[in-house]
Amino acid sequence: GAGVSQTPSNKVTEKGKYVELRCDPISGHTALYWYRQSLGQGPEFLIYFQGTGAADDSGLPNDRFFAVRPEGSVSTLKIQRTERGDSAVYLCASSLTGEIDTQYFGPGTRLTVL
Amino acid sequence: SQKIEQNSEALNIQEGKTATLTCNYTNYSPAYLQWYRQDPGRGPVFLLLIRENEKEKRKERLKVTFDTTLKQSLFHITASQPADSATYLCALNTGGFKTIFGAGTRLFVKA
Repeated sequence: GAGVSQTPSNKVTEKGKYVELRCDPISGHTALYWYRQSLGQGPEFLIYFQGTGAADDSGLPNDRFFAVRPEGSVSTLKIQRTERGDSAVYLCASSLTGEIDTQYFGPGTRLTVL
Repeated sequence: SQKIEQNSEALNIQEGKTATLTCNYTNYSPAYLQWYRQDPGRGPVFLLLIRENEKEKRKERLKVTFDTTLKQSLFHITASQPADSATYLCALNTGGFKTIFGAGTRLFVKA
């Protein structure tokens, strides 16, 4: 069975541009999480989905960040008007139910904003 | 303020020895605590979970302890091997959906 996959693996963009990062969770997992990880730091929580709805988006840093999961499976993290400080690895994880449950992480998308 | 602290200095040990990593936290009341392994260029991989009412958990060569009075968890790898070299992350969950990660400690096991 496939694990969590993320595309692209690397994304280089210019300041001010719009980017979309995609996450394909493990089939059947209802819970999906997005994290951001800067060099030398642990993953920083951004948003949690239970099914199609964002159950907790308290980690999104500002309104330039938005995420969707329209059919309860694939999720897209969208960043508008990118800034150099957005450069990081964006990690996606899924879990079966979202309760006390193992989170399975994807390999991440490395975003570089020039 | 709320903090999770892991030793930022890398831990270097000899193969066969026991590695002990520390996770301290302040101003949290975690419902459970997890340890993850992360290799360069990869996402974290779940290792062990311990609940607030548990003192110790074991899995093969791994052992985790959880002291809610000291606000500390210790992670042990016995009979360490070079393949255990990685960054180890401590993560707290206070009962909601948000998982809070520490910055991790890098472990190097020399042959």
